Amino acid sequence: GESVGLHLPTLSVQEGDNSIINCAYSNSASDYFIWYKQESGKGPQFIIDIRSNMDKRQGQRVTVLLNKTVKHLSLQIAATQPGDSAVYFCAENYGGATNKLIFGTGTLLAVQP
Amino acid sequence: DGGITQSPKYLFRKEGQNVTLSCEQNLNHDAMYWYRQDPGQGLRLIYYSQIVNDFQKGDIAEGYSVSREKKESFPLTVTSAQKNPTAFYLCASSMFGNSYEQYFGPGTRLTVT
Repeated sequence: GESVGLHLPTLSVQEGDNSIINCAYSNSASDYFIWYKQESGKGPQFIIDIRSNMDKRQGQRVTVLLNKTVKHLSLQIAATQPGDSAVYFCAENYGGATNKLIFGTGTLLAVQP
Repeated sequence: DGGITQSPKYLFRKEGQNVTLSCEQNLNHDAMYWYRQDPGQGLRLIYYSQIVNDFQKGDIAEGYSVSREKKESFPLTVTSAQKNPTAFYLCASSMFGNSYEQYFGPGTRLTVT
């Protein structure tokens, strides 16, 4: 909600710069990862996903990198815009048939005009 | 428009009262989920349901109850047994089996005083 950004790690960037948001995941057996964007007072929105058999996936202005060796995900946003200001969460699927996602704590991206 | 609706957006209750949060989806998704979000924390799973008339406890189910009598609806009751009920509550749904992507509703902010 409105207060979800409190006490979160914050990344502050200038408009037009590239942003890199990092996430460490916990389970080496996780087979699917998603990045979500959450604007103030709204529910999370899907940005991009990646399966564990890939190490890079590109979308429109966004790229996700997966490093399974160190259990690390990153989200790169090119030419960051004021509308990109939000909290960004990574989520991992532990595998199996339950479709359960485990979410990270999130990073607040603040874009300075 | 297809999507997930949660109502109301803001809800206020007195301590000791049970309260039910609504979640409806018209995406024809089999699976539905309830999460709780607190400032500075990731989403935590309360309950989930993979099919009508079946549901499982998530990581923080104590003090909550759910029902899944219809595919489209997954109401959450916050009971008086929940020690710290004030939070932002998010409902999500997903197709079961092929995709782990969860679609989120706009959330309900519950304040208990």
